[in-house]
Amino acid sequence: DSGVTQTPKHLITATGQRVTLRCSPRSGDLSVYWYQQSLDQGLQFLIHYYNGEERAKGNILERFSAQQFPDLHSELNLSSLELGDSALYFCASSVAGRGAYNEQFFGPGTRLTVL
Amino acid sequence: GQQVMQIPQYQHVQEGEDFTTYCNSSTTLSNIQWYKQRPGGHPVFLIQLVKSGEVKKQKRLTFQFGEAKKNSSLHITATQTTDVGTYFCAQADRGSTLGRLYFGRGTQLTVWP
Repeated sequence: DSGVTQTPKHLITATGQRVTLRCSPRSGDLSVYWYQQSLDQGLQFLIHYYNGEERAKGNILERFSAQQFPDLHSELNLSSLELGDSALYFCASSVAGRGAYNEQFFGPGTRLTVL
Repeated sequence: GQQVMQIPQYQHVQEGEDFTTYCNSSTTLSNIQWYKQRPGGHPVFLIQLVKSGEVKKQKRLTFQFGEAKKNSSLHITATQTTDVGTYFCAQADRGSTLGRLYFGRGTQLTVWP
């Protein structure tokens, strides 16, 4: 158990819909990262938040957005879903956001299936 | 971001055989992290290498960072069925975007008993 929690574990929805994925980082970790894992693209960085502020964006689609709340939990919002958005979405947390190459602790992931 | 290429994509070994996965980059890497993902699981941090020529060991696992900091390897001696999974190398970004990881495609290890 990494200490990072993600809900829901599985999500099945239809094209065009909107979903919200939730992540709670390890206690004390200020950084939250979102990754997408698919068979064709591998593990891809989406976005990074540090203490409530957006730090970096990766290959995140405009239909996707995220935020980190004052209690440090984070939500990833996916809208206008397409079949190709079906993937495993991981949240990871680490202690720092700058100044060190900290290890990241991954949550169990949310498997999204778009039908 | 910097890309890390990982080979081989798949490796099938008999229990007791050794296993090595390689991670390469065309540019100098500031660091390398290694993660293991069991089937149906999530990536789990194994080790981080930062210094040129660095070698670290964890029981049967040996991690190396090349002298030029353009490649890294993970070697497992005498594999066991518990070693099954996908091994990823990743580079952590630095600077203002510090922390985000660029993952290789991984090497999927299968161990036959």
